[in-house]
Amino acid sequence: ETGVTQSPTHLIKTRGQQVTLRCSSQSGHNTVSWYQQALGQGPQFIFQYYREEENGRGNFPPRFSGLQFPNYSSELNVNALELDDSALYLCASSTGQGAISTNEKLFFGSGTQLSVL
Amino acid sequence: AQSVTQLGSHVSVSEGALVLLRCNYSSSVPPYLFWYVQYPNQGLQLLLKYTSAATLVKGINGFEAEFKKSETSFHLTKPSAHMSDAAEYFCAVTGTGGGATNKLIFGTGTLLAVQP
Repeated sequence: ETGVTQSPTHLIKTRGQQVTLRCSSQSGHNTVSWYQQALGQGPQFIFQYYREEENGRGNFPPRFSGLQFPNYSSELNVNALELDDSALYLCASSTGQGAISTNEKLFFGSGTQLSVL
Repeated sequence: AQSVTQLGSHVSVSEGALVLLRCNYSSSVPPYLFWYVQYPNQGLQLLLKYTSAATLVKGINGFEAEFKKSETSFHLTKPSAHMSDAAEYFCAVTGTGGGATNKLIFGTGTLLAVQP
């Protein structure tokens, strides 16, 4: 049990639609990161939020956006869905200030499996 | 840029046999290195991490990994495989420099099968 809950667990959308994925972290976890894991691949970093501000972004287009709320929940929004957006989306939270340090541990949720048809 | 390469997308061992999962990294500066395990329909669980202290790192469930700078390797081992070890294993490295240190760069994973 990691204390990180993602919803929904599965989602099916059609190309061009918009989707919102949600993540609920433990109290005190001020940093949340989102990763995309395509089938047969390792997770890829989308972006990170620290205290409700974006704190780093991977090689993903602007149609991927996020929000972090004071209650330790966060959202990943994807606009204009494409077929290649089909993947498992993972949320990871920590108590750190962003940079992965010696003593910091990331807690991953079980993910949302998004299928785009 | 940092990267990791996992040799062997599928590894099969017999129960009780040695588990060896290979990971090589590319980094211009000493990295932090990680091994994660992913069971079906679950998120990632940290097995162990190297953060420039001891080169032999012991993790959970009897796994350990050795950081070898000369070989740029961080292979994961377990002396005796259990059926419950069947899962996908990911090696990861942190980025370096500026905001890159706040992300993990993962390999493509190795699916471990344990035969009875």
